[in-house]
Amino acid sequence: EVQLVQSGAEVKKPGESLKISCKGSGYSFSKFWIGWVRQMPEKGLEWMGIIYPDDSDARYSPSFQGQVTISADKSINTIYLQWSSLKPSDTAMYYCARLWLQRKAPLDYWGQGTLVTVSS
Amino acid sequence: EIVLTQSPGSLSLSPGERATLSCRASQSVSSTYFAWYQQKPGQAPRLLIYAASHRATGIPDRFSGSGSGTEFTLTISRLEPEDSAVYYCQQYGGSPRTFGQGTKVEIK
Repeated sequence: EVQLVQSGAEVKKPGESLKISCKGSGYSFSKFWIGWVRQMPEKGLEWMGIIYPDDSDARYSPSFQGQVTISADKSINTIYLQWSSLKPSDTAMYYCARLWLQRKAPLDYWGQGTLVTVSS
Repeated sequence: EIVLTQSPGSLSLSPGERATLSCRASQSVSSTYFAWYQQKPGQAPRLLIYAASHRATGIPDRFSGSGSGTEFTLTISRLEPEDSAVYYCQQYGGSPRTFGQGTKVEIK
């Protein structure tokens, strides 16, 4: 069974750093692109970027380029989303999701989401 | 960036009725690269339709997708109470990938 399991909820202060994770199982993890999607409170879905775990090739939406870092450790079937200095506007639910078979693909399996709250 | 605009913003229908959700793209999208997702409260989104008209695994046949170019439609033929959710369209052919703003479907 394909599963993506994300790390738990985080509460941080503005200016702090953070790294959240997404661990895959039940499939050939390193051979599928995985993306990150942001959902701000009571808002829609926003595409952040994707990564190919086999070679850590990462692509970013222009809206998120330079704001976050996406990385992978294929040895432990895990990808990461990282901030160096959080802002209150980073408060959101973050989902990882697998791209089906290729880079231009729908998101067929989703993690359960990681809620990030940034508040002083 | 391809902007996707969904309409209506919300709709309220009774069980057994038909729901028609629209998604308009700011430029032409290949139907190969178009999807619909369902998100219920407190849950992650779920893939419903890919390549504009193909149902994902396990999706009931009351869900159907159609369209091409700049106009796409999701139809729920006979609404059931569990279809209450927000529905998002997505294009995955252009960069960046983009989502519509969502249509909320309420079952009376």
